[in-house]
Amino acid sequence: DAKTTQPTSMDCAEGRAANLPCNHSTISGNEYVYWYRQIHSQGPQYIIHGLKNNETNEMASLIITEDRKSSTLILPHATLRDTAVYYCIVRVAYAGNNRKLIWGLGTSLAVNP
Amino acid sequence: DAGVIQSPRHEVTEMGQEVTLRCKPISGHNSLFWYRQTMMRGLELLIYFNNNVPIDDSGMPEDRFSAKMPNASFSTLKIQPSEPRDSAVYFCASSFGDYMNTEAFFGQGTRLTVV
Repeated sequence: DAKTTQPTSMDCAEGRAANLPCNHSTISGNEYVYWYRQIHSQGPQYIIHGLKNNETNEMASLIITEDRKSSTLILPHATLRDTAVYYCIVRVAYAGNNRKLIWGLGTSLAVNP
Repeated sequence: DAGVIQSPRHEVTEMGQEVTLRCKPISGHNSLFWYRQTMMRGLELLIYFNNNVPIDDSGMPEDRFSAKMPNASFSTLKIQPSEPRDSAVYFCASSFGDYMNTEAFFGQGTRLTVV
């Protein structure tokens, strides 16, 4: 099963870009990279996902390296409300139609004023 | 839409008692997931339903845990008998279509404390 490695914690100044790295060196060719975040005492919230190409939405950008062994989530202008635990997840495919996400411990991002 | 609704938000029970957690997924979603979160183990998928049918229950810890989805708008997770090590936050999530390519929406969770 592909696994991910993320730094335990990071800091970012309010208004600056937050760049959260993730290593997934054993990722398979048909596995997607997902990012979720969890604000304290709330359920996880989907941010973005991608396969090969870089992706952007209203929340963030996802940069995936050409070899797909790592990726970076970019929050272009971090706010205090972006303080949360960020999970980088690789979707694991089972034989047949069973699939699930493997969650690690994530990166605790603190956005400071 | 009100999102995924879980009840109760908090539950404190004595060891040995039966506990039932409830979930109402987002209308129109056909996949439902139960997760457990603890400090030690993080987020763990317990069971996954698709079109009301359990597809993957390999994460259910033991026979004390059971989950049902009698219809598309309701699911329960039952623990009987409960033990202190079951104390955790339990999340329900739902999504539409193939879970691989769609986002999952999570409820606010039920914080369970077994004393």
